[in-house]
Amino acid sequence: GQQVMQIPQYQHVQEGEDFTTYCNSSTTLSNIQWYKQRPGGHPVFLIQLVKSGEVKKQKRLTFQFGEAKKNSSLHITATQTTDVGTYFCAGVNSGNTPLVFGKGTRLSVIA
Amino acid sequence: DSGVTQTPKHLITATGQRVTLRCSPRSGDLSVYWYQQSLDQGLQFLIQYYNGEERAKGNILERFSAQQFPDLHSELNLSSLELGDSALYFCASSVGPGNYGYTFGSGTRLTVV
Repeated sequence: GQQVMQIPQYQHVQEGEDFTTYCNSSTTLSNIQWYKQRPGGHPVFLIQLVKSGEVKKQKRLTFQFGEAKKNSSLHITATQTTDVGTYFCAGVNSGNTPLVFGKGTRLSVIA
Repeated sequence: DSGVTQTPKHLITATGQRVTLRCSPRSGDLSVYWYQQSLDQGLQFLIQYYNGEERAKGNILERFSAQQFPDLHSELNLSSLELGDSALYFCASSVGPGNYGYTFGSGTRLTVV
């Protein structure tokens, strides 16, 4: 079945440093979504990418979808303590199938 | 408040018992999804309903079952519970199947002792 791999599993950064998490799918995706889960919280939808090579920005967050629609990345510029949490990518194989989540990258920010 | 309501928030029960987790989706959402989150397995898809009908099944054990009612709320039934079933169970909803973001509830933390 479809698998979504995410690396790294953990990342510790100093406040102000940049952070990137990478996501790879075993199959071509129709779209990829990113979620953030704060400690003790639930996943919260951040963004959806649909087009090959798509790049979207949300303030300090930059999301990319690969040309082959099998990989994606999330880059955070100048991390802040509010960025702490686990970032999940989730892929959709075809239009009507449920999201398959990666295992997430847990980000710790040291002030 | 995400708009997806899950009850109860916490549940502690003994092995062999049966429990029911409840989910009310966000107003207007027709799709409901159940996910299990444990420390080492991430978010595992269990089952999806769309407008009252089962739409997709993931790695859901035979001891588990679910349904979606006419008012679109959903229940996840877990029976013959084992220690390994201890996890966070999330319900999520979306407008429909396909290319829509999910709205997650706050989850039910199940502890089997």
